[in-house]
Amino acid sequence: DTGVSQNPRHKITKRGQNVTFRCDPISEHNRLYWYRQTLGQGPEFLTYFQNEAQLEKSRLLSDRFSAERPKGSFSTLEIQRTEQGDSAMYLCASSLVNEKLFFGSGTQLSVL
Amino acid sequence: KQEVTQIPAALSVPEGENLVLNCSFTDSAIYNLQWFRQDPGKGLTSLLLIQSSQREQTSGRLNASLDKSSGRSTLYIAASQPGDSATYLCAVPNQAGTALIFGKGTTLSVSS
Repeated sequence: DTGVSQNPRHKITKRGQNVTFRCDPISEHNRLYWYRQTLGQGPEFLTYFQNEAQLEKSRLLSDRFSAERPKGSFSTLEIQRTEQGDSAMYLCASSLVNEKLFFGSGTQLSVL
Repeated sequence: KQEVTQIPAALSVPEGENLVLNCSFTDSAIYNLQWFRQDPGKGLTSLLLIQSSQREQTSGRLNASLDKSSGRSTLYIAASQPGDSATYLCAVPNQAGTALIFGKGTTLSVSS
């Protein structure tokens, strides 16, 4: 297993378009997290799954954001009607319960 | 609400120096604390995880300590090398234990 994988690495889109990111966690990990990071800041929690259940969503996650984890495997994060303020690095992480988090390399989103 | 602060925000040292990075948190009711490293434009790599029952953890030239009662953790790097140049972030679980709350990080530059 090579760790947490995220695709694409970079995404440039025009304001108003929809984008979708994919995360493949470490296979035996039952927890999967999405974070957002802007320049000079630490990552901010967006949402997390335990197996296929989405158990918590941050207030940062507006109605334009939706995340899924079908069958408790990979996860997708979709942003509808993107805005310039959505430009950030979107990070995925996975873990076992109360164990270390392992992060992917992130998807850098630029909204023009 | 838990808040995590890291001091200093940036640090420049010559190769070979020993150094200490500081992390403080406002709510001492945590069950662990994690230190991460982040290279520019990349995801986070977990360095050390300290459980609340432990006072310190060591990995190679890195030593992290945790003092829950004072709300502080330190990351000690011995004999720094240019390859240690990166941003170091600390993180603690939120009250529900469902997500990590990060500091803004300390950006370390080690010159040869």
